[in-house]
Amino acid sequence: RKEVEQDPGPFNVPEGATVAFNCTYSNSASQSFFWYRQDCRKEPKLLMSVYSSGNEDGRFTAQLNRASQYISLLIRDSKLSDSATYLCVVNKGGYSSASKIIFGSGTRLSIRP
Amino acid sequence: NAGVTQTPKFQVLKTGQSMTLQCAQDMNHNSMYWYRQDPGMGLRLIYYSASEGTTDKGEVPNGYNVSRLNKREFSLRLESAAPSQTSVYFCASSLRGGDSETQYFGPGTRLLVL
Repeated sequence: RKEVEQDPGPFNVPEGATVAFNCTYSNSASQSFFWYRQDCRKEPKLLMSVYSSGNEDGRFTAQLNRASQYISLLIRDSKLSDSATYLCVVNKGGYSSASKIIFGSGTRLSIRP
Repeated sequence: NAGVTQTPKFQVLKTGQSMTLQCAQDMNHNSMYWYRQDPGMGLRLIYYSASEGTTDKGEVPNGYNVSRLNKREFSLRLESAAPSQTSVYFCASSLRGGDSETQYFGPGTRLLVL
């Protein structure tokens, strides 16, 4: 079983729709959680960190469920420019935590006009 | 600020050839990383450098070596390239390598080994 699992998609939704992705992680001691966005043939860029209480940034909402070991990303009123691959990232923490960052393989989102 | 820069952008090698991928950051970050990204797989850590003067193996270090030349630069060397090393390579940096820090990525190097 992968340490971080995501549905690869693609999710193909119309502009203006609401779309949600989940990501599950296997290590219950994981400390930090993030969503990164990666455009086609580009580098990943941080979209948002995920906090225990949940957090919102404009049209994007991220939530963490430690009991069930998953994080989610909700995109409201989707735009064509939201088309990208969304990477779930988990940091297991601990000593030398730089080596404990695990990337999911990503969920592809395509927004159609 | 240029952020994280990588050279070259593209490279084609024959099996057995060697090459060095260069990475530099101008954000005064302490920690730097090399990842590879293959289709259907997440980014996998090859090597990282928590601070100047230190390097450590990541998940997939075999066939690679690294040098943290100074605080700004972190290079990745393939001594004898193999087709299995065909991939997209990303360099990244973060301020101190802490749990909750953002990683900043370079634009990537696309490597094809024939």
